[in-house]
Amino acid sequence: DAEITQSPRHKITETGRQVTLACHQTWNHNNMFWYRQDLGHGLRLIHYSYGVQDTNKGEVSDGYSVSRSNTEDLPLTLESAASSQTSVYFCASSDQGSTDTQYFGPGTRLTVL
Amino acid sequence: GENVEQHPSTLSVQEGDSAVIKCTYSDSASNYFPWYKQELGKGPQLIIDIRSNVGEKKDQRIAVTLNKTAKHFSLHITETQPEDSAVYFCAASKTGGGNKLTFGTGTQQKVEL
Repeated sequence: DAEITQSPRHKITETGRQVTLACHQTWNHNNMFWYRQDLGHGLRLIHYSYGVQDTNKGEVSDGYSVSRSNTEDLPLTLESAASSQTSVYFCASSDQGSTDTQYFGPGTRLTVL
Repeated sequence: GENVEQHPSTLSVQEGDSAVIKCTYSDSASNYFPWYKQELGKGPQLIIDIRSNVGEKKDQRIAVTLNKTAKHFSLHITETQPEDSAVYFCAASKTGGGNKLTFGTGTQQKVEL
């Protein structure tokens, strides 16, 4: 069955370190998204991509970057982790329609000490 | 940009009773309104959605209503069961908006036995 996976599921790192969170989908979806989830804020969009070599900033993109070298993967990189980036991160994908369903991965819980 | 407000933030219902969660949106161009259910330790999962060309949609025990004039939409769950205990998120997006979802802040629903 097609699916979307994230790794690692849990990560503890130190302030200033570079961290990369992986997202892999097997639906062959063009659209991929990264969100962070924090209590009281719901899900906020970090970065998104509409296809290979395409990346765009979301509402909370500072301190994060993404790259899209193939259809299946959209890794999220924290260039220099900060305690404010402690959060749960979700990846999602959808087909290319503008109001198509987004399917979410299981999430990565990141703690920055 | 779009702003989605969701109420209540927490909801306790007796098993078998009905539950209602309400959301308002700010962008009159929004035309797609999904609802997601998030169980503990998992990613959000779409449970129902509605597009602006209809006022109500039902799927077994859940229903969503949309009032475009007032810019609000609601999730209705009837005959609540213990497995309905979860966090529920509403969201909004629009055609031409690149499938970007703006989420509400979530409702933690607990079904009391």
